[in-house]
Amino acid sequence: QQQVKQSPQSLIVQKGGISIINCAYENTAFDYFPWYQQFPGKGPALLIAIRPDVSEKKEGRFTISFNKSAKQFSLHIMDSQPGDSATYFCAVFSGGGQNFVFGPGTRLSVLP
Amino acid sequence: SQTIHQWPATLVQPVGSPLSLECTVEGTSNPNLYWYRQAAGRGLQLLFYSVGIGQISSEVPQNLSASRPQDRQFILSSKKLLLSDSGFYLCAWSHGQGYEQYFGPGTRLTVT
Repeated sequence: QQQVKQSPQSLIVQKGGISIINCAYENTAFDYFPWYQQFPGKGPALLIAIRPDVSEKKEGRFTISFNKSAKQFSLHIMDSQPGDSATYFCAVFSGGGQNFVFGPGTRLSVLP
Repeated sequence: SQTIHQWPATLVQPVGSPLSLECTVEGTSNPNLYWYRQAAGRGLQLLFYSVGIGQISSEVPQNLSASRPQDRQFILSSKKLLLSDSGFYLCAWSHGQGYEQYFGPGTRLTVT
């Protein structure tokens, strides 16, 4: 079974700091790499995603950095805010969405 | 725009009782539909997915079953609940050839 490793398992950051969450996968066939954000008691929501033809994608304070050769990608949250406190899941997809694996999640706490 | 509904939002059921959770999607046709379970503080476990009416694929053997009686309706059922069935149940949908999965608000099930 395909595995996706996500680190750290939990992360505590001060307000205004940078939060970095990493994801590593095994199969080079994956071609879509999203990050989902989940608040307590809510369903996950797509936050940002990247394709393997680019190395970085930025949307506001959120950036994905992608390293195809290392089979790793990461989420960077700049100027972290208490409202960013949530669980973040990376995922890898291929086959037009028919094949996918979610990471185990990272719980982020941003202290005021 | 598309919306996904799940009900009930919360449910407390005794061990051995039956279960029926419902998920409906509006604003799209022929979506792929998914059922996930999330244990407290844990990741997303894919239970079932469906690419069309009456087409169900099971990912994990268990005492749960799924049905898709209509194009945009997905039902999760059990004849006899176990304590281990407690968790947060999430329904999600995606376009037939799309990577993005859109999650519903979830159902919190507690088996007592």
